Amino acid sequence: QSALTQPASVSGSPGQSITISCTGTSSDVGGYNSVSWYQQHPDKAPKLIIYDVIKRPSGVSYRFSGSKSGNTASLAISGLQAEDEAEYYCSTFTSSSSYVFGTGTKVTVL
Amino acid sequence: EVQLVQSGGGLVRPGRSLRLSCAASGFTFDDYAMHWVRQVPGKGLEWVSSISRDSGSLGYADSVSGRFVISRDNAKSVLYLQMNSLRPEDTAFYFCARGRQGSWGFNWFDPWGQGSPVSISS
Repeated sequence: QSALTQPASVSGSPGQSITISCTGTSSDVGGYNSVSWYQQHPDKAPKLIIYDVIKRPSGVSYRFSGSKSGNTASLAISGLQAEDEAEYYCSTFTSSSSYVFGTGTKVTVL
Repeated sequence: EVQLVQSGGGLVRPGRSLRLSCAASGFTFDDYAMHWVRQVPGKGLEWVSSISRDSGSLGYADSVSGRFVISRDNAKSVLYLQMNSLRPEDTAFYFCARGRQGSWGFNWFDPWGQGSPVSISS
């Protein structure tokens, strides 16, 4: 199972909005509404920020939102803040009864 | 507070074995599927293995199938990963994570343990 494709890096100024894409196939992203997103700060464990494509766990900022179209899922961050600078990963269940993660995207707040 | 505390990492020689543990607290452990995910330092995340709430269904990545065994002790609220025939490419931080209630499919991972470093080298 190949990793889902994410841009290596995305940047934005404070207050701006950015979007991170996560592209897979009809056997993973496109096949199920099971996409989740994780935020990972350096030397920390990942933190769930979106699950089931669009759902936000309790305590996660409303500035994070998810969507999906075809084989591509997206994570949007609005009102970018310094604390949003981190690595972001998507993940989904697959038709092979396994999980696959994205390649990761480094978000830089300029 | 939901918490996962890991133990058991270390440095071992190729071909040897190691067992990781993940002690859960703050939730009803036997209601939830559990997972292991690993990460080579500076690299991305890789799913390793999953187990249903009752141990009735297990899943493994191809890279570890036949060498790693996932298990759980619901009475003790502990998740395990027995790693056998270890290879240098198994070197990584290993994270345990809680899934959703019931089966291990169509899950998300939340929360995560603090990670256990595993280094395989001669």
